[in-house]
Amino acid sequence: AQSVTQLGSHVSVSEGALVLLRCNYSSSVPPYLFWYVQYPNQGLQLLLKYTTGATLVKGINGFEAEFKKSETSFHLTKPSAHMSDAAEYFCAVSDKAGGGADGLTFGKGTHLIIQP
Amino acid sequence: GAGVSQSPRYKVTKRGQDVALRCDPISGHVSLYWYRQALGQGPEFLTYFNYEAQQDKSGLPNDRFSAERPEGSISTLTIQRTEQRDSAMYRCASSPRTSGRTYNEQFFGPGTRLTVL
Repeated sequence: AQSVTQLGSHVSVSEGALVLLRCNYSSSVPPYLFWYVQYPNQGLQLLLKYTTGATLVKGINGFEAEFKKSETSFHLTKPSAHMSDAAEYFCAVSDKAGGGADGLTFGKGTHLIIQP
Repeated sequence: GAGVSQSPRYKVTKRGQDVALRCDPISGHVSLYWYRQALGQGPEFLTYFNYEAQQDKSGLPNDRFSAERPEGSISTLTIQRTEQRDSAMYRCASSPRTSGRTYNEQFFGPGTRLTVL
């Protein structure tokens, strides 16, 4: 069984400040890990993913995340927040043994608020 | 190109009525997924198809929920005898599912907001 924990249902940062959204996962097999972003009235959009290889992955809009197996974490960061980053962010895990073809298990989401 | 589309975007129904939610995946995508997202929660997996075959329906909450994809393209999620607790956003995603071990991204539609009165 897999699970995802996102610490903080709401995170508020000032424009230009560092963004850090935390994600911890539980998986009995090597995982695929994802971050999705959801803007109001839109579908989920993939920000970045970790499947194999380099543990630091870069995504769209300047976001990156690092897979740390020892900490079972996949935290999302961005060096400098922009007003357009305000959205809901979801961390998700998939079973690598299934080739990623199975359904995703999502965390509850973190609402990112950008203060001007 | 066109993304995943879902219809209707909003559905309000009375308790006890049946509803059918439609998902039109990206053309050529083999895999199709259904998720349910309650307010303030992340999406919860319901079921998925490869072509017309339903591969996993372990996430369907009970036997009032069913899904089909008869021609391997458009899919319908049906909820019979709706209850207030069924109110949620229902999201569909599709994936190209290429051969080998390469991960195939799931592309999500905008969702159908279901409200059961």
